[in-house]
Amino acid sequence: AQKITQTQPGMFVQEKEAVTLDCTYDTSDPSYGLFWYKQPSSGEMIFLIYQGSYDQQNATEGRYSLNFQKARKSANLVISASQLGDSAMYFCAMRDSGSGNTGKLIFGQGTTLQVKP
Amino acid sequence: DAGVIQSPRHEVTEMGQEVTLRCKPISGHDYLFWYRQTMMRGLELLIYFNNNVPIDDSGMPEDRFSAKMPNASFSTLKIQPSEPRDSAVYFCASSFSLPNYEQYFGPGTRLTVT
Repeated sequence: AQKITQTQPGMFVQEKEAVTLDCTYDTSDPSYGLFWYKQPSSGEMIFLIYQGSYDQQNATEGRYSLNFQKARKSANLVISASQLGDSAMYFCAMRDSGSGNTGKLIFGQGTTLQVKP
Repeated sequence: DAGVIQSPRHEVTEMGQEVTLRCKPISGHDYLFWYRQTMMRGLELLIYFNNNVPIDDSGMPEDRFSAKMPNASFSTLKIQPSEPRDSAVYFCASSFSLPNYEQYFGPGTRLTVT
């Protein structure tokens, strides 16, 4: 069965520093997609970045990058130059896009990030 | 684009009452998802639809929960009768049926059952 694991319930980072949020996944399908979402205290879920299992390069979106290590089944989110507005809950999610493409995402438990001024 | 629209944003009801949550997905999206989020259980997928047809309702906690999607632009999640343990934030999300396409979430409905 597919599974997403986020082992860091909470993280702290100093403003302007970089931070890595861990995510490991488990799937037997060679074709899949990995997503990161941000949930600030206001509650909305905001899509940040996507990585496909066949993508040759790590995904980047502005200050967000995904450190994708396929052999280790990890898809860590790296936030560079942290800002106070980055304080939020971050969710890693996986979508099975192979023969069993169901469209649904499997979410991890989330990591709460606090950025210190 | 208005995004995914959910109503109401907040609902407070008494135990035993019927609750109906509403969702309008983004136009053109063919997947619609209902999630529930609590501190204890995190984000749970309750049910999802593809082209208005329910595909997987294995996450629906019990028979008190039901969901419908009568057309491509509207879905409801109903709880009858409601119980205090149903208190949570309920999200609706929609997506295209492309593997690399993200789900767009609505703002959520915060349900409190007293």
